[in-house]
Amino acid sequence: GAVVSQHPSRVICKSGTSVKIECRSLDFQATTMFWYRQFPKQSLMLMATSNEGSKATYEQGVEKDKFLINHASLTLSTLTVTSAHPEDSSFYICSARDRSRGFTGELFFGEGSRLTVL
Amino acid sequence: TQLLEQSPQFLSIQEGENLTVYCNSSSVFSSLQWYRQEPGEGPVLLVTVVTGGEVKKLKRLTFQFGDARKDSSLHITAAQPGDTGLYLCAGADALRLGNQFYFGTGTSLTVIP
Repeated sequence: GAVVSQHPSRVICKSGTSVKIECRSLDFQATTMFWYRQFPKQSLMLMATSNEGSKATYEQGVEKDKFLINHASLTLSTLTVTSAHPEDSSFYICSARDRSRGFTGELFFGEGSRLTVL
Repeated sequence: TQLLEQSPQFLSIQEGENLTVYCNSSSVFSSLQWYRQEPGEGPVLLVTVVTGGEVKKLKRLTFQFGDARKDSSLHITAAQPGDTGLYLCAGADALRLGNQFYFGTGTSLTVIP
């Protein structure tokens, strides 16, 4: 089946540094990828929709200069948390939809990336 | 933005009991999915429903999509400890470019042996 891979799975960084998280679709092309943030025992909050070859669409309240998204190819999207602070610590999850299966197709999720900012 | 409200938020039951989780919204969705997530992992798809009134069964799990495509329910029969996890509904917003999926508030289920 389709696989989405996220890297790194865990990252610890100092306050003020930037962290990049990669999301790759391994065996399908993803025109659109989604980035979510999840706090412990809570649901997934959609942060932004990443579109290949164009600017990401951010949800209300999400700072686009803080969370930079790049979707340079049909198999890779990156999320960069710039000048990270402790309140950015969270579980970040990406998902992708197989473009060949249309808009109602299954979302395939990455394994998630646990960010801890000291 | 979370357009979907799930209830209950937390549920702890004994093995063998039945339970129902509800997913409600004021918005109409083109499709709705149910996921199960374990700690530290990404959600895993259980089912997709696309037609109002649709009922799907997956072993001991029964999923129903409301007639108006605004709500859904998940019923588990004879719950087992392996059913423990966070259950999430997610609706696809057909009016938004990219047809984003918005997740419900989540239901944390614990099945006690």
